[in-house]
Amino acid sequence: NAGVTQTPKFQVLKTGQSMTLQCAQDMNHNSMYWYRQDPGMGLRLIYYSASEGTTDKGEVPNGYNVSRLNKREFSLRLESAAPSQTSVYFCASIQQPQETQYFGPGTRLLVL
Amino acid sequence: DQQVKQNSPSLSVQEGRISILNCDYTNSMFDYFLWYKKYPAEGPTFLISISSIKDKNEDGRFTVFLNKSAKHLSLHIVPSQPGDSAVYFCAAPPSARQLTFGSGTQLTVLP
Repeated sequence: NAGVTQTPKFQVLKTGQSMTLQCAQDMNHNSMYWYRQDPGMGLRLIYYSASEGTTDKGEVPNGYNVSRLNKREFSLRLESAAPSQTSVYFCASIQQPQETQYFGPGTRLLVL
Repeated sequence: DQQVKQNSPSLSVQEGRISILNCDYTNSMFDYFLWYKKYPAEGPTFLISISSIKDKNEDGRFTVFLNKSAKHLSLHIVPSQPGDSAVYFCAAPPSARQLTFGSGTQLTVLP
């Protein structure tokens, strides 16, 4: 089991460029999450998908879109990147509510 | 407004001594709490949890204490080891399928 995988590991974008962060899990989990981590801010939820076919906004959804492509994959898209989106992005998944979340290794994004 | 707060951004402890990491919360409806550990360039990993019906949960060197009246929890690591050096996040679920995280505490265990 690879657990939760994320690609790419690192990306540099110019302001206004778009990109998609990919996340996949092989644990047959129902729910998947996207977080961003910024210094002094902890982990903040961007979007989540409680189950295949559903997505919901988290705490900081502005500037992002998501797609739950199937049960395994949950992608995060930045349509027009801004310097404020420079961050480390983590994907996570759980099988059932109140279970612990499993995190991917993160994608470090720098927007110039 | 942060529902889970970690007011100490950093903590340094000598190897072999006790590390105490603190966390405060504002929502009295939270019914369980978790601690995650994060090493540089890795994702957070689950460390220990506690249900609100308990006031203590122990797992090896790690013990979490919950004081519901004070809305405070703490993570004790005894004895601390250099490999424990990491960022520690406390977290709680504002709803069934979500977690809200504190801002983290960087623990450094000095050899």
